Amino acid sequence: DTAVSQTPKYLVTQMGNDKSIKCEQNLGHDTMYWYKQDSKKFLKIMFSYNNKELIINETVPNRFSPKSPDKAHLNLHINSLELGDSAVYFCASSQNGLAAGEQYFGPGTRLTVT
Amino acid sequence: SQQGEEDPQALSIQEGENATMNCSYKTSINNLQWYRQNSGRGLVHLILIRSNEREKHSGRLRVTLDTSKKSSSLLITASRAADTASYFCATGYTGANSKLTFGKGITLSVRP
Repeated sequence: DTAVSQTPKYLVTQMGNDKSIKCEQNLGHDTMYWYKQDSKKFLKIMFSYNNKELIINETVPNRFSPKSPDKAHLNLHINSLELGDSAVYFCASSQNGLAAGEQYFGPGTRLTVT
Repeated sequence: SQQGEEDPQALSIQEGENATMNCSYKTSINNLQWYRQNSGRGLVHLILIRSNEREKHSGRLRVTLDTSKKSSSLLITASRAADTASYFCATGYTGANSKLTFGKGITLSVRP
């Protein structure tokens, strides 16, 4: 009964490839997020969606495109992968993102670009 | 930036001792939250303190917030080896662009 799940857990790919990471939450939350955690553990928000609508889009290269088919799912597609994209990507959800409340995180996807 | 900055960056203590971690931030906030991250796992929410609160308790955790100094502290009493993890503070700001901004984290090692 995982609350926030992500697939895959590990992703190893070559530069220039396109890859996707999927996220699902079964908490009934309205808001979902994508974060990037670098090798120094610095966690930075990339995107957030509230009821399938994009509300936060930080300064992320447009090679990154989030898609929310419904409010329980938020996927991340990355085009033309670069070495600097190597990181751990976390999906999270919260009941109402506008209230800046508690967030529930997925287990992370470790992306390695070679 | 609202980003919280934790202090110290790393802390090593003996089991049974108390661990105190600090977080400072720069702008007004609506709430401040602490999260724990075990190695190779996602973040887990520990406690949220609102800007109009000064202290909050949850089990062995005690959080204080001083909005005049723009700082917070997390105290873990009677630490256990299982408390070994990274701890992050996150500042919360409500509104149209509501989000949490995380600090760089504190690595806590509790020696058995």
